[in-house]
Amino acid sequence: QVQLKETGPGLVQPTQTLSITCTVSGFSLTSYYMQWVRQTPGKGLEWMGFIRSGGSTEYNSEFKSRLSISRDTSKNQVFLKMNSLKTEDTGVYYCARDFRRGVMDAWGQGASVTVSS
Amino acid sequence: DVQMTQSPSNLAASPGESVSINCKASKSISKYLAWYQQKPGKANKLLIYSGSTLQSGTPSRFSGSGSGTDFTLTIRNLEPEDFGLYYCQQHNEYPPTFGAGTKLELK
Repeated sequence: QVQLKETGPGLVQPTQTLSITCTVSGFSLTSYYMQWVRQTPGKGLEWMGFIRSGGSTEYNSEFKSRLSISRDTSKNQVFLKMNSLKTEDTGVYYCARDFRRGVMDAWGQGASVTVSS
Repeated sequence: DVQMTQSPSNLAASPGESVSINCKASKSISKYLAWYQQKPGKANKLLIYSGSTLQSGTPSRFSGSGSGTDFTLTIRNLEPEDFGLYYCQQHNEYPPTFGAGTKLELK
């Protein structure tokens, strides 16, 4: 069956870089767009960006300058990297499969990230 | 960006009752609204998309209606597993944007 699982560092210091891996099973990354969404106490659920089935990316302008999404199709993994972290980036980061036109039909359970020194 | 305003923020009901959750978009999004359920320790679940299309596996007691700027999620004959958080999300244009959520609690 379709499964997604995010793994991340848990705690990141301010100004440092966040790296999260989303490992998927039950479908191919070359057939679906993959989305990243985060949930923070301050802003709720926010769309961050996606990587297309062909490998190109689009980002929310809120994060564009510090966000990077990539993938390794041989390992069924999608990666999120965001630099210059601030305390307000504390939250839960989700990867999700895009079913159609921005509809996310499968989600991981999320990676909880705390930005603190 | 399209702003999504969800109401109410909190809702208390008993099993067997019916409830409605509303979502209003800051501009027309045609029919392109999705509803998700969020529960602790579980992956978010897509319930409805394109306003009224039930995702495979969504029980028929869930229904969605609306178009343009105003949408409603209705849950009839509440079951114990329906209590949790509900979010709307517009999927008409990028960036996709979400409502602030409605917490459905047991009365």
